[in-house]
Amino acid sequence: GAVVSQHPSRVICKSGTSVKIECRSLDFQATTMFWYRQFPKKSLMLMATSNEGSKATYEQGVEKDKFLINHASLTLSTLTVTSAHPEDSSFYICSGQGADTGELFFGEGSRLTVL
Amino acid sequence: GQQVMQIPQYQHVQEGEDFTTYCNSSTTLSNIQWYKQRPGGHPVFLIQLVKSGEVKKQKRLTFQFGEAKKNSSLHITATQTTDVGTYFCAGPNTNAGKSTFGDGTTLTVKP
Repeated sequence: GAVVSQHPSRVICKSGTSVKIECRSLDFQATTMFWYRQFPKKSLMLMATSNEGSKATYEQGVEKDKFLINHASLTLSTLTVTSAHPEDSSFYICSGQGADTGELFFGEGSRLTVL
Repeated sequence: GQQVMQIPQYQHVQEGEDFTTYCNSSTTLSNIQWYKQRPGGHPVFLIQLVKSGEVKKQKRLTFQFGEAKKNSSLHITATQTTDVGTYFCAGPNTNAGKSTFGDGTTLTVKP
């Protein structure tokens, strides 16, 4: 199946700093990528839909100025958590969608801890 | 908005016992997908069902899509410790390209 690479897998940062998470589709072109947040023992909460070459579409309640998404190429989407606070600590996962079947290929996830 | 519900939330079984998780959507789905997430890992695609009443098998896993295309189930026969994880169903949202995930069923298997 297709491969989506996400890094860093773990990051610890201080409050007030910004953290960038990268998501790359390694063997397919992803015109659309999705960013999720997952709390312990909870489901995937869609944060935003990232579209190559255009602005991301954010879900209701997600602050677009706090969670900056950039999708500059068909193989790379980035999520930047700006001015991170401890409540932003979470597991963030990206996914790209297969063009033929519509199945989602997930990155390995990034566990963010804000001190 | 569209809701996708899954039950049970947790299931603990003895190795060798069967396991079933059920998924129900508030709206008719064009398709449904199932994913498995191992502890500490990321979701991995298992299967997609498209047709009304469709049944697909993958070794000990049997997936069903309801006649009304609003519900689905995943059944595992004779569970093994390698089946441990959280199983999610996902249905396409009315907005093209997005999927709504169920809350997941977390399976633990006692050896």
